Amino acid sequence: AQSVTQLDSQVPVFEEAPVELRCNYSSSVSVYLFWYVQYPNQGLQLLLKYLSGSTLVESINGFEAEFNKSQTSFHLRKPSVHISDTAEYFCAVSEWAGGFKTIFGAGTRLFVKA
Amino acid sequence: SQTIHQWPATLVQPVGSPLSLECTVEGTSNPNLYWYRQAAGRGLQLLFYSVGIGQISSEVPQNLSASRPQDRQFILSSKKLLLSDSGFYLCAWTKGGGNHGYTFGSGTRLTVV
Repeated sequence: AQSVTQLDSQVPVFEEAPVELRCNYSSSVSVYLFWYVQYPNQGLQLLLKYLSGSTLVESINGFEAEFNKSQTSFHLRKPSVHISDTAEYFCAVSEWAGGFKTIFGAGTRLFVKA
Repeated sequence: SQTIHQWPATLVQPVGSPLSLECTVEGTSNPNLYWYRQAAGRGLQLLFYSVGIGQISSEVPQNLSASRPQDRQFILSSKKLLLSDSGFYLCAWTKGGGNHGYTFGSGTRLTVV
């Protein structure tokens, strides 16, 4: 991918409210798409990924993301957030460029308020 | 199962001192290995990656270097630290092919004083 854009640097939301974290990318070839979560002072953890097939992918903790090829987007959603979802979320795109290369977005800090 | 170990967790070093951060992977062979730096409030910056023993690719020219003396060991070094080297350093691994995603270590918080 030539670029990965996470449109919001910070997203404050109240507990039990829905949330959408946006991710757009630019690429001229087929890509693999990922979302990672980073809790404070920890490494990143893979949250979910899209490789092929169904454009809607889900994680075990209620997050989902939908691949939209025409809009080159891979937005992350959760219908009802918890305080424990407070973290930074990174979108990443992997494409073939003489070898697979992964580009990370700048991250979106999700802050869930009580 | 595969695990990745990164140490130390925190480090405070004076300007001009050397640096050595180590990362090891268990439970797999011939992993692709990466060093990233994350400055406060910013995204990930790829520093080095390696697809095999002794093979190091540098993404950003700087006073840091990396080495891969063994298949599952990746070391980040500096001869003389700068204040600008402060940050959160992350090691990661993946198998070849872009569909596996990365597994990250727990990170090292480096403060250069």
